[in-house]
Amino acid sequence: EVQLVESGGGLVQPGGSLRLSCAASGFTFTDHYMDWVRQAPGKGLEWVGRTRNKANSYTTEYAASVKGRFTISRDDSKNSLFLQMNSLKTEDTAVYYCARVQSQGSASCLDYWGQGTLVTVSS
Amino acid sequence: AIQMTQSPSSLSASVGDRVTITCRASQGIRNDLGWYQQKPGQAPKLLIYAASTLQSGVPSRFSGGGSGTDFTLTISSLQPEDSATYYCVQDYNYPWTFGQGTKVEIK
Repeated sequence: EVQLVESGGGLVQPGGSLRLSCAASGFTFTDHYMDWVRQAPGKGLEWVGRTRNKANSYTTEYAASVKGRFTISRDDSKNSLFLQMNSLKTEDTAVYYCARVQSQGSASCLDYWGQGTLVTVSS
Repeated sequence: AIQMTQSPSSLSASVGDRVTITCRASQGIRNDLGWYQQKPGQAPKLLIYAASTLQSGVPSRFSGGGSGTDFTLTISSLQPEDSATYYCVQDYNYPWTFGQGTKVEIK
């Protein structure tokens, strides 16, 4: 059974940093790209970014709103995904989901999601 | 970034009704579009990818269509458990962008 479990959320002051983790199990982690998606309270979904796998040089993509402040990484030996968030702003307050990318030919989708972890940026 | 616009923002329909949600992209995205369902307090769930391919385990009353800039999600016979918010997302290029969501309520 595929499982994604996020952790590391909490309350942080504006300008602070936080590192989220996502523990993956039930599938071959190294085969998949992995994404982070967030959802501000009462709002819609916002794609945060992606890390590709080793076969694709662990390259990353980011939303403009987080580029330069957030860094996505992975540890394949521990089947773990990370989101390092620096220079946090109040507008970064959201539930953060990790999600597995499934590629079917030229199509991609997010076929499994974690339950999310809440990050609150407030003084 | 490509903008995705869903309509309507919300709707209310009766059990058994046929419901259609539309999603329009600000530029052509081939068929690189997915639909996700999210219930309160839960993570999103993949329904459809590549505009019209039903994800395994998703009921056949859900269907997707369209290509280029205009897409639809149809629920052929609305069920009580379909009460949720539905999102489209383009995977044509980066950054991926979601529509603002359509909240479906049961009358």
